[in-house]
Amino acid sequence: DAGVIQSPRHEVTEMGQEVTLRCKPISGHNSLFWYRQTMMRGLELLIYFNNNVPIDDSGMPEDRFSAKMPNASFSTLKIQPSEPRDSAVYFCASSLSNNSPLHFGNGTRLTVT
Amino acid sequence: GESVGLHLPTLSVQEGDNSIINCAYSNSASDYFIWYKQESGKGPQFIIDIRSNMDKRQGQRVTVLLNKTVKHLSLQIAATQPGDSAVYFCAETGYSSASKIIFGSGTRLSIRP
Repeated sequence: DAGVIQSPRHEVTEMGQEVTLRCKPISGHNSLFWYRQTMMRGLELLIYFNNNVPIDDSGMPEDRFSAKMPNASFSTLKIQPSEPRDSAVYFCASSLSNNSPLHFGNGTRLTVT
Repeated sequence: GESVGLHLPTLSVQEGDNSIINCAYSNSASDYFIWYKQESGKGPQFIIDIRSNMDKRQGQRVTVLLNKTVKHLSLQIAATQPGDSAVYFCAETGYSSASKIIFGSGTRLSIRP
């Protein structure tokens, strides 16, 4: 079991650029979550999917943020245009169901200058 | 890597002693609780979980206690080792399919040699 795989591991970009973060959940897991972690706000849930369908995106901060899950093995989180305040570590997690433990990837550290 | 909030509570424990990390949860309707461990530069890792129909659950060197009356959760680590140094999060969720997992702000565990 390779675990949840996120890419890239680090991303440095300039303000205004588009950023795409990628996630491959654990095979067979039906739920996928995107979290953001910062020093000031800790771990924040952005959006989660059940069976590839977005269930709750109330944590997505602005329309600049969007997430897709075109199939059971892939999800993206896109920020367009990016801003310095988006700098954070973004985690993807998957679980067998919404009431099972989450398995996290090692995150993407995003720096927007 | 960055992990948690600026004012993260810290617990300092002598190596070999037992550690107790506490968590107060907010939603009386939550019925599933999880403890996670996050090491520097990594995503949170599942440690142990407990459902609301239980008061106590034991794992390898770890015990979780749940007091629903006062909405309190604790994680006990026996014979603390240097590898236990990390930030520990409690998380809560409800059992419905529309529930989402909400993380606490975390506690940093520091081990003294």
